[in-house]
Amino acid sequence: DADVTQTPRNRITKTGKRIMLECSQTKGHDRMYWYRQDPGLGLRLIYYSFDVKDINKGEISDGYSVSRQAQAKFSLSLESAIPNQTALYFCATSEPGQQEETQYFGPGTRLLVL
Amino acid sequence: RKEVEQDPGPFNVPEGATVAFNCTYSNSASQSFFWYRQDCRKEPKLLMSVYSSGNEDGRFTAQLNRASQYISLLIRDSKLSDSATYLCVVNRGQTGANNLFFGTGTRLTVIP
Repeated sequence: DADVTQTPRNRITKTGKRIMLECSQTKGHDRMYWYRQDPGLGLRLIYYSFDVKDINKGEISDGYSVSRQAQAKFSLSLESAIPNQTALYFCATSEPGQQEETQYFGPGTRLLVL
Repeated sequence: RKEVEQDPGPFNVPEGATVAFNCTYSNSASQSFFWYRQDCRKEPKLLMSVYSSGNEDGRFTAQLNRASQYISLLIRDSKLSDSATYLCVVNRGQTGANNLFFGTGTRLTVIP
C-alpha cells in the first residue's frame, strides 16, 4: 500500500464550487504539505503543517484553506474554485528535525475548474 | 531572485550520452541539497542527496560547489528510462519554518 494517498485522483468542477482534496499518510510523519504544480512554474507551496495544532501559509495560500484533522490527515479546501486553480496538486510528508529532510509525495490530484 | 533556479531544458540526448544539469541557489546559508526525479504525470521522488565532497550512485554523480552556490547532476551512459524531469531541491535548515525549496525542473528526453 502507498504511504501517502490522495483522494480524489482527478476532479472536474465548476467555478464557484467548494471542493476538498484529502491526503492521508501511514509514514508516521509529523510534517505535511500541500503543493500545486503548473507547467513552467514548478512546485509551489500552498500550506504546511508541522503537527496537528500547527498550520502555516506557504507561498500561494490565497483562495485555499487547510485542516489538519489528525497526524495522518491533511485536507486542502478551495472555498470557491476559480479556473486559475486548475493544476496538479500534491500532498507531501517529511520527517521532522532532520538536516537531510526529504519529502515523500502522494500521487497527486488533477483538478480542472471550468 | 528565486530561491532555486534551473535551466528548464529540454535536453534531448541520444542513448549512451553523458548529460549534465546545473542548479543555482540564492541563500548561502542553505545546508543540504537534493535531486528529485519526476516522471510525466507522476509525483516527485528522491533521486539522491548531494554532499560537499560529491557523491556517486551508479551512473549518477552529484556535485556541490558552496562557493559558487551551485549543484550539478551528471548522468553517464544515458538510458531511455532516464527520461524524466529532474528537480533541484535546497534545504535551508532553519528550525520552525519550511525549509525545502524546489527548482522548476529540467526536462530530459533520451532518444533511441
